[in-house]
Order: sequence, then C-alpha cells, then structure tokens
Amino acid sequence: GENVEQHPSTLSVQEGDSAVIKCTYSDSASNYFPWYKQELGKRPQLIIDIRSNVGEKKDQRIAVTLNKTAKHFSLHITETQPEDSAVYFCAASITSGGSNYKLTFGKGTLLTVNP
Amino acid sequence: KAGVTQTPRYLIKTRGQQVTLSCSPISGHRSVSWYQQTPGQGLQFLFEYFSETQRNKGNFPGRFSGRQFSNSRSEMNVSTLELGDSALYLCASSDRGNTEAFFGQGTRLTVV
Repeated sequence: GENVEQHPSTLSVQEGDSAVIKCTYSDSASNYFPWYKQELGKRPQLIIDIRSNVGEKKDQRIAVTLNKTAKHFSLHITETQPEDSAVYFCAASITSGGSNYKLTFGKGTLLTVNP
Repeated sequence: KAGVTQTPRYLIKTRGQQVTLSCSPISGHRSVSWYQQTPGQGLQFLFEYFSETQRNKGNFPGRFSGRQFSNSRSEMNVSTLELGDSALYLCASSDRGNTEAFFGQGTRLTVV
C-alpha cells in the first residue's frame, strides 16, 4: 500500500521567515495530494491541495510543488506569522470519479513561528 | 451548512468493553471515512463508506468495524477494547465529484 514520509517532524522559524515541509510517497498511482493544518485541540483543515497533472499551486502565502518523477511534494509558507503555528500533515490518495477513497497521511510537522 | 458532527466528544471506557462512535456528515455528502489519530502513529485510515457500502479498509484488526445508514450517517464500533485503542477518532466526509475531505472535531476515546 501507499506510504508517505514527512520531514522534518519539528520546525521552528522566526516570524517573517519561510518554512518548507517535504513529503515523499511510494505509490505512483497516487494522484491527489492535500495538506492539512491542525491547531491544538482542533480538527484538521485543508489548506491547499494539488493533483498529479499540476506541478505547482499557489494560494497567497502558501504554495505546494509536486515532482511526480521523484514522487515528492512540498509545502512552502512564506512570510510566516505566529498564527501559522500548528501541526501540518501531508497526504496522498488515489481518487476515482472525483471522490477520495483513502488518505494516507505523513506523521506530521510541528511548526512553531516565534514572534 | 453544518459541518461534520461527531458524538460523543469524549468517552472513557474500560478494557474489554465495546464502544460505538457516531458521525453525521455534511448534508449531501455520501462518503464518510474514519481515521485514528495517536501521537505515535499519526493519522491512520480505518475505513471508508459510500452509499452504505464499505469501499476501502485500512490495516486494523476485525475488532474495528463500521457501517453507514441510508441518510449517510456512519457509526464505528470497537469491541473488546484494549489500552492501545486510546486515541482521537476522526471522521471525514466528502462529496462525489469533490476530493476535499472535511473533518469532524473527533471523539477522544480513553481506555482504562
């Protein structure tokens, strides 16, 4: 089955710096790659996602890149703010008919943004 | 639109007991997935239901089971509870044609 590795497990940056989190996946059939943010005691929330037919996607300060050949994808957060502090999870999925069947998650990255 | 609702929010059970958790998806969503979240293992997929049929199952023992009703609400059952079953159980719903999975707040299960 699919296996997703996520690095680093913890990341501490100064406010205003950039943060990069990297994930690799094993199943070349995976075609959907979401990133979730989970604040302490809250539910995971989707912040950005990318499909396998796209190499990069951007949404304000957040961007995701995908390298299908190398089977890795990365989350980039620019101009970090203290409210970006949370656990970030990457995931991979094989979707069919537009629906998720199963998300395989990385172990998560605890991002701390120091003011 | 109301979000994904899970009940109860917190549960304490004794080893050997069984437990049933409930998940009400966003109105109109027919796919419901369940995940177990622990500090050591992260988020692990349990199973997914669509139109009352289990489409996919993760690598969990048979003590973990689920079902989905005609109104898309789903229940998850764990029998013969073990201490290691203590976790946050999350369900997520999604809509056919839309890949985004929306998570509920979770049920925190503690087995003592």
